[in-house]
Amino acid sequence: AQKVTQAQTEISVVEKEDVTLDCVYETRDTTYYLFWYKQPPSGELVFLIRRNSFDEQNEISGRYSWNFQKSTSSFNFTITASQVVDSAVYFCAFHYGGSQGNLIFGKGTKLSVKP
Amino acid sequence: EPEVTQTPSHQVTQMGQEVILRCVPISNHLYFYWYRQILGQKVEFLVSFYNNEISEKSEIFDDQFSVERPDGSNFTLKIRSTKLEDSAMYFCASRNILPGNYGYTFGSGTRLTVV
Repeated sequence: AQKVTQAQTEISVVEKEDVTLDCVYETRDTTYYLFWYKQPPSGELVFLIRRNSFDEQNEISGRYSWNFQKSTSSFNFTITASQVVDSAVYFCAFHYGGSQGNLIFGKGTKLSVKP
Repeated sequence: EPEVTQTPSHQVTQMGQEVILRCVPISNHLYFYWYRQILGQKVEFLVSFYNNEISEKSEIFDDQFSVERPDGSNFTLKIRSTKLEDSAMYFCASRNILPGNYGYTFGSGTRLTVV
């Protein structure tokens, strides 16, 4: 069975601190996709990144970076120099089942960035 | 950029009443989804829909739920007899079939409150 685990329920940091959100997944599929979504207090799901199982290159986008490691089945997300606007719930998600497949979410990590 | 549109944004209904949540997926997408998020909890998969039929459904998607794509553009979720525990945010999503492009686009959600 497929599973996504976000062990950190809530994280609180002070502005300008770096913070890493952990995501561990379980699957027997060899082809799959991993995602991160941000859910601000307004409630919508904002797409941040997609990674496929064949691409282990780390990615950086501004203050955001992602570390994908198949050896540990992890897809961690780091925010550098956090800002108050980064306060949100962050969901890791996993697409399984190929073209007919579906997306499942982890339980989310609530990040609070205090000024 | 194409969007998934959901209406209404908020709906309040009395227990036992039928509700229909509406979604307009992106026009060239082929896979359609409904997800549910009870306040403060994870985003849960309800149902996927492809080629005018249900591809997969979760345990949550019981006989009280149904989906339809009545006219080739709208995608609806019907709850026949709402219960208090159906109160949640309901997200519609769609994606296309292009290999290597499993990007899911989510609507802004419908917040359903059952009183």
